[in-house]
Amino acid sequence: KNQVEQSPQSLIILEGKNCTLQCNYTVSPFSNLRWYKQDTGRGPVSLTIMTFSENTKSNGRYTATLDADTKQSSLHITASQLSDSASYICVVSVVEYGNKLVFGAGTILRVKS
Amino acid sequence: SQTIHQWPATLVQPVGSPLSLECTVEGTSNPNLYWYRQAAGRGLQLLFYSVGIGQISSEVPQNLSASRPQDRQFILSSKKLLLSDSGFYLCAWSQDRDSPLHFGNGTRLTVT
Repeated sequence: KNQVEQSPQSLIILEGKNCTLQCNYTVSPFSNLRWYKQDTGRGPVSLTIMTFSENTKSNGRYTATLDADTKQSSLHITASQLSDSASYICVVSVVEYGNKLVFGAGTILRVKS
Repeated sequence: SQTIHQWPATLVQPVGSPLSLECTVEGTSNPNLYWYRQAAGRGLQLLFYSVGIGQISSEVPQNLSASRPQDRQFILSSKKLLLSDSGFYLCAWSQDRDSPLHFGNGTRLTVT
């Protein structure tokens, strides 16, 4: 079983709409949780990093939330744009493994006009 | 500003041939350097990381090796490629283990 599970696997939304991507993790304790955006054929780009004590972190139209009690994080995208089409990857830094990063498989988002 | 260069972008190699992928970082010193492999539908898998020149840690036993001959240069190699080595290889750097990773644009390797 994956230690970082993301849902949905893929999502299609209309331009201008909001969406929320989910990340559930089992690893504990962790030092930080990250969200990355990966365009097709490119390397991932960091969106947010949250420590275990933070509840929310924003980066423009992207807002990440963290509930350490339920071990869930979400990434909310507001007023989606065509350029938001990408894979969004949730990553947890595991203290037990020397802050090794455990990656989710990603959610593929497609924004259409 | 810092930049990371990774090449080539795509590579097609026959089984049994050698491999050398190169990654260089500019604009920072003594970075942590990483090689990841990304398989379709799966999370990135850490292959190697380095905290300094000549210091390489391997995460997964396999047909690959890594070297760091200079502070900002990281090389992924194989003496004889296997079909299973096909994949998308990503180089990354960070200032430390709690800082964001900065990825290169990856190399799509196809072993035929």
